[in-house]
Amino acid sequence: KAGVTQTPRYLIKTRGQQVTLSCSPISGHRSVSWYQQTPGQGLQFLFEYFSETQRNKGNFPGRFSGRQFSNSRSEMNVSTLELGDSALYLCASSLDKDGYTFGSGTRLTVV
Amino acid sequence: QKEVEQNSGPLSVPEGAIASLNCTYSDRGSQSFFWYRQYSGKSPELIMSIYSNGDQEDGRFTAQLNKASQYVSLLIRDSQPSDSATYLCAVAQYNFNKFYFGSGTKLNVKP
Repeated sequence: KAGVTQTPRYLIKTRGQQVTLSCSPISGHRSVSWYQQTPGQGLQFLFEYFSETQRNKGNFPGRFSGRQFSNSRSEMNVSTLELGDSALYLCASSLDKDGYTFGSGTRLTVV
Repeated sequence: QKEVEQNSGPLSVPEGAIASLNCTYSDRGSQSFFWYRQYSGKSPELIMSIYSNGDQEDGRFTAQLNKASQYVSLLIRDSQPSDSATYLCAVAQYNFNKFYFGSGTKLNVKP
């Protein structure tokens, strides 16, 4: 079966711009989580969506937002990009009581 | 106190040896436990799940859970250089819909 699909794979943006990342979960998975990972850092939890509702949120500023659609596809948006937002952004989906399956990630570079 | 604690390593073992990776968690209400492997530049991959006390074996991998002591371990038998990666422990608390990752242990298997 198809895995978790994240688009785009790579992205270069300028400071101050905004960006939208997309995630298509495994078919049937209703829980989608987003993580940020920077070099030398662990996975930093951004937020989790379940059936179109944000169920949990990490400690990130309001510039980071997300949403989930009725087909479980999810998007995250970062507004007013900063250099420190350069990272690998990972989306993961779950049947909700199983482990998460990760997508390949979107590598965002802010210049 | 972090929800999930791991020694960052690196843990170095010779090829063919047993690698032992450990993880402790803080909340006794945790219900499900997972081990992920992450190669450099790649996304985490789920390799083991364990839900009850005792051992869970899958090929060269054995996950061990001790809820009374609040620790989870991963044993890798006959370690191979291809096992060199960062191993992430994850813990789920479904009553509160929480899923926590440790910061990971870097494993180096020397030929």
